[in-house]
Amino acid sequence: GAVVSQHPSRVICKSGTSVKIECRSLDFQATTMFWYRQFPKQSLMLMATSNEGSKATYEQGVEKDKFLINHASLTLSTLTVTSAHPEDSSFYICSARAPMMNTEAFFGQGTRLTVV
Amino acid sequence: AQSVTQPDIHITVSEGASLELRCNYSYGATPYLFWYVQSPGQGLQLLLKYFSGDTLVQGIKGFEAEFKRSQSSFNLRKPSVHWSDAAEYFCAVRDSGGYQKVTFGTGTKLQVIP
Repeated sequence: GAVVSQHPSRVICKSGTSVKIECRSLDFQATTMFWYRQFPKQSLMLMATSNEGSKATYEQGVEKDKFLINHASLTLSTLTVTSAHPEDSSFYICSARAPMMNTEAFFGQGTRLTVV
Repeated sequence: AQSVTQPDIHITVSEGASLELRCNYSYGATPYLFWYVQSPGQGLQLLLKYFSGDTLVQGIKGFEAEFKRSQSSFNLRKPSVHWSDAAEYFCAVRDSGGYQKVTFGTGTKLQVIP
């Protein structure tokens, strides 16, 4: 299957700082990428859907000013957690879908964010 | 709106025993269904998927799932569990239109005892 690379795999940051997570589709062009958040021992909750060249669509309850999503190219989407707080500590996973391919979306390996 | 229910939060089986993980979905049209496995601190690995055709789907690692429209179910099965199968299992349904969003169930944690 297609490969989605997520970076970094782990990051620790101080409260009040911002952290950027990258999601790259390595061998296909992804017009749509999805960002999920997973709390410990819970399921994946969709945060937002990003489309190349347009604004992201956020799910209800997700602060768009706090979780900035940019999908500037067909192979890269970024999630920036701004002014991070300890409650933002979580596991963030991205997935990418190729256009006109009736297949599953492909998932990155996730990023463990710890805010101290 | 689409939804997925995994009734069992935690299941314990003996190594070598058979396994069935339950999944029920709610979706207005023909669903696209998936089973994923997640090891601790890791991303998701696709076990199998159902889009159309044969309702019994074979996946990787000896897993299979059966789509039953009448029961709105997509249960995952394995005839003989290995210790390495211990992980979290997620059932998911994908929207057929729009951005094709994927909705996940709450997951079932599988413990395998010797």
